[in-house]
Amino acid sequence: NAGVTQTPKFRILKIGQSMTLQCTQDMNHNYMYWYRQDPGMGLKLIYYSVGAGITDKGEVPNGYNVSRSTTEDFPLRLELAAPSQTSVYFCASAGDEETQYFGPGTRLLVL
Amino acid sequence: AQSVTQPDIHITVSEGASLELRCNYSYGATPYLFWYVQSPGQGLQLLLKYFSGDTLVQGIKGFEAEFKRSQSSFNLRKPSVHWSDAAEYFCAVGLRRGGGNKLTFGTGTQLKVEL
Repeated sequence: NAGVTQTPKFRILKIGQSMTLQCTQDMNHNYMYWYRQDPGMGLKLIYYSVGAGITDKGEVPNGYNVSRSTTEDFPLRLELAAPSQTSVYFCASAGDEETQYFGPGTRLLVL
Repeated sequence: AQSVTQPDIHITVSEGASLELRCNYSYGATPYLFWYVQSPGQGLQLLLKYFSGDTLVQGIKGFEAEFKRSQSSFNLRKPSVHWSDAAEYFCAVGLRRGGGNKLTFGTGTQLKVEL
């Protein structure tokens, strides 16, 4: 049982480049989330989805986009990378119960 | 808007000693409260959660937490710490019950265990 998987594990981007962070869950969860974690800070919600085709902004959505074409996948898109987007990104999913299950994270460095 | 405060950034305890990690929240309604643990290079794992009922909740790995409404606190405790408990601990508040719960996290407490 893989749970929540994220790729890549680590990436270096140049300013202005774009990339997609992949997130897949195999638990048939309706709810999925993207968080970012900066050093010394807690996690902040970027975007979330309550089901396929439905997404909404979280606390810090600027500079990011998401889509949810299937139940399993919830990719996060960075269009024009900026140094402020250097962070660790976590994807999570949840079923009807309350527990959010987190992936191992993607560490992104923008130079 | 809700907020979560974890006043201790770092805590060091000896193996076998007791542990208490503090968490205070600010929220206008009945909170849904969580404690997560993050080991180095890993994602977050749920330790325990509180929604209603008994204010003392038991979690995994021998952890427990007590909800005190009068103090707006949800402190995490463990009677005897093991070296494997060294990790970062996050308290979180949720807006509602259920899978659509958007969480607000505290800044975390880094726990170091001395052998």
